Amino acid sequence: DVKVTQSSRYLVKRTGEKVFLECVQDMDHENMFWYRQDPGLGLRLIYFSYDVKMKEKGDIPEGYSVSREKKERFSLILESASTNQTSMYLCASTSWGSGNTIYFGEGSWLTVV
Amino acid sequence: AQRVTQPEKLLSVFKGAPVELKCNYSYSGSPELFWYVQYSRQRLQLLLRHISRESIKGFTADLNKGETSFHLKKPFAQEEDSAMYYCALRQGASNTGKLIFGQGTTLQVKP
Repeated sequence: DVKVTQSSRYLVKRTGEKVFLECVQDMDHENMFWYRQDPGLGLRLIYFSYDVKMKEKGDIPEGYSVSREKKERFSLILESASTNQTSMYLCASTSWGSGNTIYFGEGSWLTVV
Repeated sequence: AQRVTQPEKLLSVFKGAPVELKCNYSYSGSPELFWYVQYSRQRLQLLLRHISRESIKGFTADLNKGETSFHLKKPFAQEEDSAMYYCALRQGASNTGKLIFGQGTTLQVKP
C-alpha cells in the first residue's frame, strides 16, 4: 500500500521558533511536494523537489525552505515561524510521467502562537 | 498564467438530488485535469482524471476545452459524498507532476 507519512500531525510553536516538518514516502518516487491548505484558498504549492538535493520554488516560498538529502525524505523548514504560517501543511509525492497519481500525506496542522 | 477556479465554496443538496461541482481552468497548452476529494479526517485522494474517462463512485467529469471547464457531476447524491472536492490541473508536458489546485468546494449532502 502506498504511503506518504508526515511525522507530526499537530504542532504548536511560538513566533520566531524554527520549525521542521518531515515527510517520508516509501514508493521510490522522484518528485515530492509541500502544499499549504487554507480555507477559501485551496492548496498552494510552497516548494517541490524532483530529485535528491534538487528543489524548486512553488507559488508561495517566502518564509520557507526545504531539504531533500535522501530520495524518500522531504523536509519543510520554517526558519522563523510567524502567526500567518498557521495552517495545514500537506506533503505529496509522485513518480515521473504524465498521468501518474499524486499521493498525499495526512497533513500536519501547525499553529503558531 | 495557469489557474483553476471553483466558484462555489459550499454546495448543499439533499440526498438523491443531482450534483454538479464547477471547475474552470486557464491554460494555453494541453492540460491534464483531475478531481481530488478529502473526506472528513482522511487524506486527500484522487477521485478521477480526465484522461481515464471513468466513473468513480458514480461521479463523472468531462473536459470541455471550448469552455475550459471540467465540471464534476453525479446524478444522485449520497450522504457519504459529503466532503471537500478540489479540481486540479497539471501541465500536459510536465514530468514533475506539479498540480495547480482550485480553491475547493465543500459538498454537503443532507438526508
